[in-house]
Amino acid sequence: DSGVTQTPKHLITATGQRVTLRCSPRSGDLSVYWYQQSLDQGLQFLIQYYNGEERAKGNILERFSAQQFPDLHSELNLSSLELGDSALYFCASSVRGGNGELFFGEGSRLTVL
Amino acid sequence: QKEVEQDPGPLSVPEGAIVSLNCTYSNSAFQYFMWYRQYSRKGPELLMYTYSSGNKEDGRFTAQVDKSSKYISLFIRDSQPSDSATYLCAMTEPSNYGQNFVFGPGTRLSVLP
Repeated sequence: DSGVTQTPKHLITATGQRVTLRCSPRSGDLSVYWYQQSLDQGLQFLIQYYNGEERAKGNILERFSAQQFPDLHSELNLSSLELGDSALYFCASSVRGGNGELFFGEGSRLTVL
Repeated sequence: QKEVEQDPGPLSVPEGAIVSLNCTYSNSAFQYFMWYRQYSRKGPELLMYTYSSGNKEDGRFTAQVDKSSKYISLFIRDSQPSDSATYLCAMTEPSNYGQNFVFGPGTRLSVLP
C-alpha cells in the first residue's frame, strides 16, 4: 500500500459527460501529480500541484482541469468526455515537490461509452 | 528522439533466469533514477531509487546507472513468475518547483514457470 488513495476505482460514463476523480496523497506529501495511461501505453504526465498551487503542466487537454485543496487532496475534472478519454488515471504524491521518489495510487479506470 | 528510450518487449524468460532491463536517455540534467514495477491494471510501485552512477542492490534486484553513457539498467536475479509485470524506468530533472519526472514507455516481462 503506497498510502495514496484514489476514488472511484472504476467509472463508466457516456460521451459528453463530466466526471471528477479524487486523490488523497500520502500523509505529509505536499506534491500531487496526475498521469493518464491508455491501454498498453506509457504514463502521460498531465499536471502537478504543490501545496495547493499548480506547478507544472504536461499534455493536459483544455477539457481537463485539476485543483488541490487546503487539506492537500486533489481532484481531476474531465469534461465533454470522448471515447478516447477512456484510460487509467493515476495520482502520485511525493515529498517537497519530488526529490526522486514518487508514490502512485491504484488508479481510477474510466470507461467512456 | 525521445528523452527516455526503453525496449517495450515483451520479454519472456524462464523461471530462474537473470533478466536485464535497460533504458537510455539524452538529457544530461537528469538527477535521480528509478525503476517502477507495474502489475496489470495496478499502480506503478517504486522498486529502486538511486542518485549516483554505480550499482545499488536490493535483494534480487540490482540497479545500475552510468551517467557518462546515459543509460540505466535493472537486473533481476533468479526471476520468478511473480516478477511478470511491466517495468518502467523513470528519471527526474530539476525544475523551478522541485523535480520533473520523465518515464520510459515500459518493458513488459513474462517469467515462465
